[in-house]
Amino acid sequence: NAGVTQTPKFQVLKTGQSMTLQCAQDMNHNSMYWYRQDPGMGLRLIYYSASEGTTDKGEVPNGYNVSRLNKREFSLRLESAAPSQTSVYFCASSRTANYGYTFGSGTRLTVV
Amino acid sequence: DQQVKQNSPSLSVQEGRISILNCDYTNSMFDYFLWYKKYPAEGPTFLISISSIKDKNEDGRFTVFLNKSAKHLSLHIVPSQPGDSAVYFCAATGNSGGSNYKLTFGKGTLLTVNP
Repeated sequence: NAGVTQTPKFQVLKTGQSMTLQCAQDMNHNSMYWYRQDPGMGLRLIYYSASEGTTDKGEVPNGYNVSRLNKREFSLRLESAAPSQTSVYFCASSRTANYGYTFGSGTRLTVV
Repeated sequence: DQQVKQNSPSLSVQEGRISILNCDYTNSMFDYFLWYKKYPAEGPTFLISISSIKDKNEDGRFTVFLNKSAKHLSLHIVPSQPGDSAVYFCAATGNSGGSNYKLTFGKGTLLTVNP
């Protein structure tokens, strides 16, 4: 089925470790996004890529980096994980924001 | 500063009754509004949207109302079904000039529909 694929689904990291969350979409969407969801905080935008070759900071970018590898793939990197980055991470893509996002199923990350 | 507010963290209704979920926004540049539904352990899914040129949009059991002067929108579900139990996120965007704009989400409302 067409959609947004995120890997891994679950991950436990030790403080200070690094990792990359992968996201790929097969809908030929221009824009891709990374959100985090925390209890009582809703969905907060970390980084987004309006089109291939561009990336911009969202609401909570500190501690993260992103790469728009090509039109299909948008990765999120944690260089030195901290317990405050324990969260559920969602990748999404869209043709434009008005057409709504298609979300992946999420990555549950725990930093101990 | 929270630009999209869902002031009710939770709502409980009986099956068959109407569910009304509310959302307020502060940014006057927002001109397109969306509702997303999220089940546990899944990503949010798009439910219904409305442009600022309309005050109502209907899709089956789901209707969204927009009151621009009050900067308020609401999602009505009639009749409510147990399968509607989920977290509902309100989202907003401004789309000036056809550019890609990001969505700003509220914190969500957990709807529980009791059999």
